[in-house]
Amino acid sequence: DTGVSQDPRHKITKRGQNVTFRCDPISEHNRLYWYRQTLGQGPEFLTYFQNEAQLEKSRLLSDRFSAERPKGSFSTLEIQRTEQGDSAMYLCASSLRLPYLIDQGLNTEAFFGQGTRLTVV
Amino acid sequence: GDSVTQMEGPVTLSEEAFLTINCTYTATGYPSLFWYVQYPGEGLQLLLKATKADDKGSNKGFEATYRKETTSFHLEKGSVQVSDSAVYFCALSDRGNTGKLIFGQGTTLQVKP
Repeated sequence: DTGVSQDPRHKITKRGQNVTFRCDPISEHNRLYWYRQTLGQGPEFLTYFQNEAQLEKSRLLSDRFSAERPKGSFSTLEIQRTEQGDSAMYLCASSLRLPYLIDQGLNTEAFFGQGTRLTVV
Repeated sequence: GDSVTQMEGPVTLSEEAFLTINCTYTATGYPSLFWYVQYPGEGLQLLLKATKADDKGSNKGFEATYRKETTSFHLEKGSVQVSDSAVYFCALSDRGNTGKLIFGQGTTLQVKP
């Protein structure tokens, strides 16, 4: 399977604990995105990387959240001191951003992983 | 800021019925528009897209037309199947360099035999 993979698929943790999720994008994709999805809602953008550079962070990403993509391949999302409000599905997506499309204002499509469902008890 | 609004669900239809799921958007500039589908237990999959006004995206019998004048991108299918039961998300991506998506809240479709 050469799609986007996320690990773990499910995580149950106690309030106050730290958790870390991993995302492996499609291998040739240079863009990687993290989203959060709560029950009955659409995904909300958290942050994205181009190669190893984190280029934008949403205001939803409090200082308890940190994301890395150290070698421009896989990415990790860490949540410190988890709260019950952090319970959600965390989605990762990747895309290929081709330079010659930029001037045309066109973006390549994003491919999503199956997500990591976090439950904070 | 930019936003997407979808019709409330769930939508329940009989097999072979006609489907419409409404989607309207608010955006500065001219975004690209998408429909994603999430089948039970699976990740989000791109269903179709349109990148400029009057474009029609189509896939698997689904269609949506980018209407700038009404800021809409309604999803339609002439004859739904039980296998179309899923959650459908309308989304937009601005014409900047980020590629980030702004999603609607999703519409659940249930098709009964």
